[in-house]
Amino acid sequence: AQSVTQLGSHVSVSEGALVLLRCNYSSSVPPYLFWYVQYPNQGLQLLLKYTSAATLVKGINGFEAEFKKSETSFHLTKPSAHMSDAAEYFCAVSDPDTGRRALTFGSGTRLQVQP
Amino acid sequence: DAGVIQSPRHEVTEMGQEVTLRCKPISGHDYLFWYRQTMMRGLELLIYFNNNVPIDDSGMPEDRFSAKMPNASFSTLKIQPSEPRDSAVYFCASLPTPGLAGTITYNEQFFGPGTRLTVL
Repeated sequence: AQSVTQLGSHVSVSEGALVLLRCNYSSSVPPYLFWYVQYPNQGLQLLLKYTSAATLVKGINGFEAEFKKSETSFHLTKPSAHMSDAAEYFCAVSDPDTGRRALTFGSGTRLQVQP
Repeated sequence: DAGVIQSPRHEVTEMGQEVTLRCKPISGHDYLFWYRQTMMRGLELLIYFNNNVPIDDSGMPEDRFSAKMPNASFSTLKIQPSEPRDSAVYFCASLPTPGLAGTITYNEQFFGPGTRLTVL
């Protein structure tokens, strides 16, 4: 079964600093990968997705992620954090080969942005 | 489009009571998912439907939980009887079928705002 590991349940950065949220997947074939963001008391919003078209994926709000097959990683980055980025971020994986449509989520990383 | 609609947004009930959560998927989406989010277990899939038919219910905790999708625009998740450990946020999500009507999808799902359930 596929799984996703997010290192660091909490990450704190200063406003304007680099944001790096880590995600590693376990899959025998390159899966579809997603980053979702959850603001307090809201649902999940898709930030970006990897579908094998390009290894560097750009998403909304200035976020991007790079797929590295050799490292089985899909880390999320943003060059300069903004206060509005404070939220919980989830990495998720889906297997393109099985036809199973459900997502498997990581445990989430709560991002705090300090002024 | 209004997005995925869930009701109620908040539900507080007492142990032993029946609880019904409702979801309206995005029009044209043929897949519907129910997830549960707790501090201890994170986000976990409960069940999902395709064309109103349950495909995978392996995540449904026990017989107290049941889900139905009587038509393409409505689904319910019922808990009877409810217990305090059922307290969680329940999300509904939908997904269009790949390849239909020109859609290309990679399983990215569209989530509703969730229902926060508290069982006292």
